[in-house]
Amino acid sequence: GAVVSQHPSWVICKSGTSVKIECRSLDFQATTMFWYRQFPKQSLMLMATSNEGSKATYEQGVEKDKFLINHASLTLSTLTVTSAHPEDSSFYICSASTHNEQFFGPGTRLTVL
Amino acid sequence: GIQVEQSPPDLILQEGANSTLRCNFSDSVNNLQWFHQNPWGQLINLFYIPSGTKQNGRLSATTVATERYSLLYISSSQTTDSGVYFCAVERGGGFKTIFGAGTRLFVKA
Repeated sequence: GAVVSQHPSWVICKSGTSVKIECRSLDFQATTMFWYRQFPKQSLMLMATSNEGSKATYEQGVEKDKFLINHASLTLSTLTVTSAHPEDSSFYICSASTHNEQFFGPGTRLTVL
Repeated sequence: GIQVEQSPPDLILQEGANSTLRCNFSDSVNNLQWFHQNPWGQLINLFYIPSGTKQNGRLSATTVATERYSLLYISSSQTTDSGVYFCAVERGGGFKTIFGAGTRLFVKA
């Protein structure tokens, strides 16, 4: 199957700092990538759809100025959590679609102190 | 929006047992996938199955699109099958995917 990588796999930061998470499709091109957030023992919640060359589409309730998404190429999307606070601590997962099937990155565990 | 319900929410099996996980969805869908989330959080693709039946080793899945449900069968369960199984559907246009709440499976030795 297709491979999606994510970096970093975990990050600990101080409150008020910004954190960038990268999502790459390694063996296919993805015009669309997706960012999800998952709280412990809960399902995945779609945050935004990242479109190559255009603005991301955010789900209701997700602050676009808080979670900046850039999809600069067909294989890379980035999510930047700006001015992170402890409530932003979570597991963030990206995915990319090819041939109608979604493939997920390994996730990034963010802890904000 | 479309609702996706999975059952049972939790399942404990003795190693070697068989099980069936169910996914009901409230409207017609273009795509349906089953995933296994392992203890480290990685989602592993099991099946892309908008309709019909597929098998892969000890796992098989059936989707009856007209009746809006899908089943995931696990036979001869192993401890490594433990984790959360998610059903995810996509209604069409834009690939927005909706996840069910998952079935949390624990297989004991």
